[in-house]
Amino acid sequence: EVQLVESGGGLVQPGRSLRLSCAASGFTFDDYAMHWVRQAPGKGLEWVSGISWNSGSIGYADSVKGRFTISRDNAKNSLYLQMNSLRAEDTALYYCAKDMSDYIWGSYHYWGQGTLVTVSS
Amino acid sequence: QSALTQPASVSGSPGQSITISCTGTSSDVGGYNYVSWYQQHPGKAPKLMIYEVSNRPSGVSNRFSGSKSGNTASLTISGLQAEDEADYYCSSYTSSSSLVFGTGTKVTVL
Repeated sequence: EVQLVESGGGLVQPGRSLRLSCAASGFTFDDYAMHWVRQAPGKGLEWVSGISWNSGSIGYADSVKGRFTISRDNAKNSLYLQMNSLRAEDTALYYCAKDMSDYIWGSYHYWGQGTLVTVSS
Repeated sequence: QSALTQPASVSGSPGQSITISCTGTSSDVGGYNYVSWYQQHPGKAPKLMIYEVSNRPSGVSNRFSGSKSGNTASLTISGLQAEDEADYYCSSYTSSSSLVFGTGTKVTVL
């Protein structure tokens, strides 16, 4: 059974940093691209970032480019999102999602339950 | 990276068919066959319903179907059931090697 478990969320002040993690199990992690998708309270889905199976292709939404960094450790079956210079508008539930492909085509086949990030002073 | 355009709401009676549109540009929906659709019930994670325009993952009812014409993709739900009441989002790969979601559609079963 595919499982994606996010962690690392919490309350953080504007301008500070936070690192999210996603522990994957139930599939061959290094065969698939992975993504972070967020959802602000009461709002729609927003793609944040994606990374191909070997980290060779990485993409970011314009809203986070230059502030967020996605990475993965295939030996540890883990996905990460380093978030710097956080803003109030980054407040959201952050989902980890598995692609159906090894490239970031964006068919999010499986999703975690999300970790909540709240940016507030 | 402008969000794809979806109707805010669509409704139908049990047993009817409804269609949700997802309009983008030639740089996303119109340029690639990497359009997918997601169902999200309140408080739950999204669920993949359609990928690559018209393919259903294993376990998804064949009442759900997808198509694309030009810059507009569509999700059709036939034989509408109470359990289909949820939010639906489309998504597309873009020419910027990024991804974009639609604005979301609330489906109501009357």
